[in-house]
Amino acid sequence: DAGVIQSPRHEVTEMGQEVTLRCKPISGHDYLFWYRQTMMRGLELLIYFNNNVPIDDSGMPEDRFSAKMPNASFSTLKIQPSEPRDSAVYFCASSLTGTSGVTGELFFGEGSRLTVL
Amino acid sequence: GEDVEQSLFLSVREGDSSVINCTYTDSSSTYLYWYKQEPGAGLQLLTYIFSNMDMKQDQRLTVLLNKKDKHLSLRIADTQTGDSAIYFCAEMGGGSYIPTFGRGTSLIVHP
Repeated sequence: DAGVIQSPRHEVTEMGQEVTLRCKPISGHDYLFWYRQTMMRGLELLIYFNNNVPIDDSGMPEDRFSAKMPNASFSTLKIQPSEPRDSAVYFCASSLTGTSGVTGELFFGEGSRLTVL
Repeated sequence: GEDVEQSLFLSVREGDSSVINCTYTDSSSTYLYWYKQEPGAGLQLLTYIFSNMDMKQDQRLTVLLNKKDKHLSLRIADTQTGDSAIYFCAEMGGGSYIPTFGRGTSLIVHP
């Protein structure tokens, strides 16, 4: 399996522009998470989905942030309009509930590094 | 809510042992994890322990769990420069499939 795939790996944009980050989870996984990592705040859970349904978006910082999961193999995180304080590394992760593997293990993508000028 | 605390930095000399500590508050934690994040990469599960265990050893790694004090530690024997990374402690329990992560400890290994 290719693992969790995120794109783009790097994004540099100007304040006010729309940013869309993409994620392809591991096939068959039923949970998908979006995290943000910064030096100041560490790793923050933004939102997670179960079977494509958003379960908890309480970590989404503002209405400028939105996330969708139209099907089991694709999710997006959108920031509109973007601001310099959104600069961070955004990670997507997926996991599988069930008896195989390590219970609760999250599989992370390599992240999307966002810089907003 | 649940909280996981760990120190932010640890510096060790190559060949020495490293001990990374973590405390958590959720008494219903069932699984406790250590993830490793290498530079420019995502987190990857390094090891884990069930809450009914006190210790788990895997080659150079030793995990100790003190459930009474809600304290978890990761010991890396014979630390190498390749062990330089950020190590995240995480816990999960209470019927949830959502782990709670600490802020991560940056391990710096110098010659």
